[in-house]
Amino acid sequence: KAGVTQTPRYLIKTRGQQVTLSCSPISGHRSVSWYQQTPGQGLQFLFEYFSETQRNKGNFPGRFSGRQFSNSRSEMNVSTLELGDSALYLCASSRTHDRPNSPLHFGNGTRLTVT
Amino acid sequence: ELKVEQNPLFLSMQEGKNYTIYCNYSTTSDRLYWYRQDPGKSLESLFVLLSNGAVKQEGRLMASLDTKARLSTLHITAAVHDLSATYFCAVGTIGGATNKLIFGTGTLLAVQP
Repeated sequence: KAGVTQTPRYLIKTRGQQVTLSCSPISGHRSVSWYQQTPGQGLQFLFEYFSETQRNKGNFPGRFSGRQFSNSRSEMNVSTLELGDSALYLCASSRTHDRPNSPLHFGNGTRLTVT
Repeated sequence: ELKVEQNPLFLSMQEGKNYTIYCNYSTTSDRLYWYRQDPGKSLESLFVLLSNGAVKQEGRLMASLDTKARLSTLHITAAVHDLSATYFCAVGTIGGATNKLIFGTGTLLAVQP
């Protein structure tokens, strides 16, 4: 069974540009969450989608947005990139959003570097 | 606001020794997870703890949960080099039908031969 797939693995962008990251969940998983990982702030929740609806959003500026498609694939977009957006962006999937005994399965992440 | 603290942040231990990583959280929760992350890799799920007194074991790792004390522990028995990694605990908000998790700072474990 294929795991969570994130593309691209690495990205280098310059300040002011925008970027779109993609995530394909495990087959049959309908919930997708996004997390940002940095050395300074650790792992922080960005947003969560289920059945194409955003169910929860973390404490990030409006430059961070996302969406989920009918096949459960998800994208996140960051506009007007800042140096502080450099991070590892992790996508995680689970079967649903309300089964606490089902842990999140994480992808390998997209390493974004903003110069 | 839910906060999660882990200690220690860094743990250097010798092979064959035992040690414990602690995870404290600030508000009531009904679920706690432990993850492992190898350098440059993603997070791997280790344990799911859902009730007070829950204890789970896998190999040399054992996790427990005390919801009254808002404390989880990850105990390492007779450490081996392969256990070297960063370990995170993560807590979900109680009753929330959500996969929003609050992660601890992580504990970098280095097992020396």
